Amino acid sequence: AQSVTQPDIHITVSEGASLELRCNYSYGATPYLFWYVQSPGQGLQLLLKYFSGDTLVQGIKGFEAEFKRSQSSFNLRKPSVHWSDAAEYFCAVGALATGNQFYFGTGTSLTVIP
Amino acid sequence: GAVVSQHPSWVICKSGTSVKIECRSLDFQATTMFWYRQFPKQSLMLMATSNEGSKATYEQGVEKDKFLINHASLTLSTLTVTSAHPEDSSFYICSARHASTDTQYFGPGTRLTVL
Repeated sequence: AQSVTQPDIHITVSEGASLELRCNYSYGATPYLFWYVQSPGQGLQLLLKYFSGDTLVQGIKGFEAEFKRSQSSFNLRKPSVHWSDAAEYFCAVGALATGNQFYFGTGTSLTVIP
Repeated sequence: GAVVSQHPSWVICKSGTSVKIECRSLDFQATTMFWYRQFPKQSLMLMATSNEGSKATYEQGVEKDKFLINHASLTLSTLTVTSAHPEDSSFYICSARHASTDTQYFGPGTRLTVL
């Protein structure tokens, strides 16, 4: 069965510190992997995606993520967090075979301390 | 590019009335759109997959007669919450699949409050 796990419900980091948000997935086919960010009361904004090729993908706002097939992981990273990065982050997995239906993780809430 | 809009952004209605929410892909055509529901501080729950020109596919546990979905054109899908009740109050988010990029782009969401 398809599933996405984000082990950390809530993370607090200091501004300027590095960040890593974890995402593990279980998927029967070759996955397409995504990270989205959601500010309070807003929709979801795509940060980055992985379909194939280079396993380290760069996204917007200085974020990157690394696909590790052996670990079924797609962790999101940022070397230096800004206060504006405080938001909810969702990892999602999907594939063409399922009509591009997405399965979302439960989200990680990020708090940034000045 | 790849902008999705929703209208209205928020709506308050009385119990028993019906509410229609529109989802539009503004600069691309979307043969497939998705409707999600999100409870406070929770993840998105897929309600249904909407394919242009055909009936929507509903997820298990979602009442198709209560949540009517119409995808009449390649840029518009609508979700109608019929005979709304307070327990239907939620944040409803749509997304549209961009065929050339195989990526879903999300609307800003609609906050529904049923009194």
